[in-house]
Amino acid sequence: EVQLVESGGGVVRPGGSLRLSCAASGFTFDDYGMSWVRQTPGKGLEWVSGINWNGGSRGYADSVKGRFIISRDSAKNSLYLQMNSLRVEDTALYYCTRDGGGGYSYVKSDYWGQGTLVTVSS
Amino acid sequence: EVVLTQSPGTLSLSPGERATLSCRASQSVANSYLAWYQQKPGQAPRLLIFDASIRATGIPDRFSGSGSGTDFTLTISRLESEDFAVYYCQQYGSSPRTFGQGTKVEIK
Repeated sequence: EVQLVESGGGVVRPGGSLRLSCAASGFTFDDYGMSWVRQTPGKGLEWVSGINWNGGSRGYADSVKGRFIISRDSAKNSLYLQMNSLRVEDTALYYCTRDGGGGYSYVKSDYWGQGTLVTVSS
Repeated sequence: EVVLTQSPGTLSLSPGERATLSCRASQSVANSYLAWYQQKPGQAPRLLIFDASIRATGIPDRFSGSGSGTDFTLTISRLESEDFAVYYCQQYGSSPRTFGQGTKVEIK
């Protein structure tokens, strides 16, 4: 059974940093691209960042480019999102998703974790 | 980026009725790379349909998807109690992937 378990969310001040983690199990992690998708009541669902199967290709939404860094560790079957220079508008529930192929582009998210909540507030 | 507009915003129906949800794209979705997700309160989205018309693993055949180009439809042939939820479309034919704003299917 595919499982994705996020952690690392919390409350942070504007300008601060946070690192999200996603522990994957139930599938061969190295065969799949992975992404982070966030959800807010106001803006809905937004793809944030993606990484291909071996970490050699990464992509970011314009809204987070230059501030967030996605990475993965095959030894730990884990996905990460380093979030820097956080803004109030980054407040959201962040989901880790498995992408339906080796890349992160032109693929759907076929499995989702339960999400971790990030709140940016002074 | 491709903007997806879902309609209606809310659909009020009774169990056993047919639900028809629409997703319209601001430009043609390449290769019909269009997915539908179901989300219930407090849960993550679940993939129902991908490539516009292919049911994901374990999805009942009362769910069907159709369409191409800019117009796509999700049909639930006979609503069951567990189908009342919010449904989102997503395109992955161009970067970045984008989502519609959702259609809520509620019990009438």
